[in-house]
Amino acid sequence: RKEVEQDPGPFNVPEGATVAFNCTYSNSASQSFFWYRQDCRKEPKLLMSVYSSGNEDGRFTAQLNRASQYISLLIRDSKLSDSATYLCVVNMRNYGQNFVFGPGTRLSVLP
Amino acid sequence: DGGITQSPKYLFRKEGQNVTLSCEQNLNHDAMYWYRQDPGQGLRLIYYSQIVNDFQKGDIAEGYSVSREKKESFPLTVTSAQKNPTAFYLCASSPVAAGLGEKLFFGSGTQLSVL
Repeated sequence: RKEVEQDPGPFNVPEGATVAFNCTYSNSASQSFFWYRQDCRKEPKLLMSVYSSGNEDGRFTAQLNRASQYISLLIRDSKLSDSATYLCVVNMRNYGQNFVFGPGTRLSVLP
Repeated sequence: DGGITQSPKYLFRKEGQNVTLSCEQNLNHDAMYWYRQDPGQGLRLIYYSQIVNDFQKGDIAEGYSVSREKKESFPLTVTSAQKNPTAFYLCASSPVAAGLGEKLFFGSGTQLSVL
């Protein structure tokens, strides 16, 4: 079983749609969680950290369920500029910092 | 401005040749990382370093070597032993001490191709 798994995608949605991505992780000792966004052939950029209480940043909402070892990202009112690959990242901290990446879910927002 | 600088942006390697990818950061971060990304796939960890003069193998270290002589610099050498080096290479850094923010910051990447 992979350490971090994500919806395989791709997701093709119309502008204005709401889309949700799911991520599961295998190590129950994982400490912190993130969503990164990566455009084609560019570096990943931090979208948001994920907290146990859930957190929201504009049109983006992240949720964490430690009991189920599950993380989600919800994007409301999708824009063309949201088209990218979304990476779920878990910090295992088994030796200092150890960030493990999911394979990513590709989103295409269509006009 | 603080950040991570990778160079070159594009690199070509001949058969049997060693090449070195540069990574420099001025964020005063203790930890630095090298990842490899193949088309349509996620990032895989090659090497990481939590402190100067110390580094650890990641999941796919074979055929690669690193050094960490200075806090700011973490160069990656792709040796001739790496038989399939064509990929997008990303360098990253993060603070180590708790409470300083543990997010990863990335350089803009190096695309390595074999001639």
